Amino acid sequence: KQEVTQIPAALSVPEGENLVLNCSFTDSAIYNLQWFRQDPGKGLTSLLLIQSSQREQTSGRLNASLDKSSGRSTLYIAASQPGDSATYLCAVRYSSASKIIFGSGTRLSIRP
Amino acid sequence: EAEVAQSPRYKITEKSQAVAFWCDPISGHATLYWYRQILGQGPELLVQFQDESVVDDSQLPKDRFSAERLKGVDSTLKIQPAELGDSAMYLCASSSGPRETQYFGPGTRLLVL
Repeated sequence: KQEVTQIPAALSVPEGENLVLNCSFTDSAIYNLQWFRQDPGKGLTSLLLIQSSQREQTSGRLNASLDKSSGRSTLYIAASQPGDSATYLCAVRYSSASKIIFGSGTRLSIRP
Repeated sequence: EAEVAQSPRYKITEKSQAVAFWCDPISGHATLYWYRQILGQGPELLVQFQDESVVDDSQLPKDRFSAERLKGVDSTLKIQPAELGDSAMYLCASSSGPRETQYFGPGTRLLVL
């Protein structure tokens, strides 16, 4: 069964720290992987999309990496800010014709 | 900036009643998705449309759920009758194609009493 796992479920760090969120998937034959942000009670906002042929993507203070052989992706957030507090979801598409499978997310809290 | 619109934002209903949710995708987006998100979990795809055609409804509980996109633009998701376990956030998303980035609406939070 194709699954996406995110550990930990929740994380709290002080403002200014660099941090890493983890995502693991069960099948290395993925099409692409995407990181989303979800604020409480709101919809999802796409942050970064990594194609299977890529190793990483960067946007501002965010950097996402992909290691298909180990079935892992990480989202690196530099110099964290209270406004980064949200739930971060990892989503994997296993083939060009398949649906996206989401992890359960990591709820991030940045303490001022 | 174009956005996906959903209504209502919140809905409280009693079990056995009928409920309906509406979604208006970003203009020009041919692919439309309905997801259900239970608190503390990631979204799960219920149905995917390409224009007016259903391309994936394998996870849609067809005995009580129905979805339509008659003119290939906006879409309606209906539940009849609602059950307690249907309490969740219902998210709509759209994309320019089935492999492109999905843009999500704000969701409809449903509470079934």
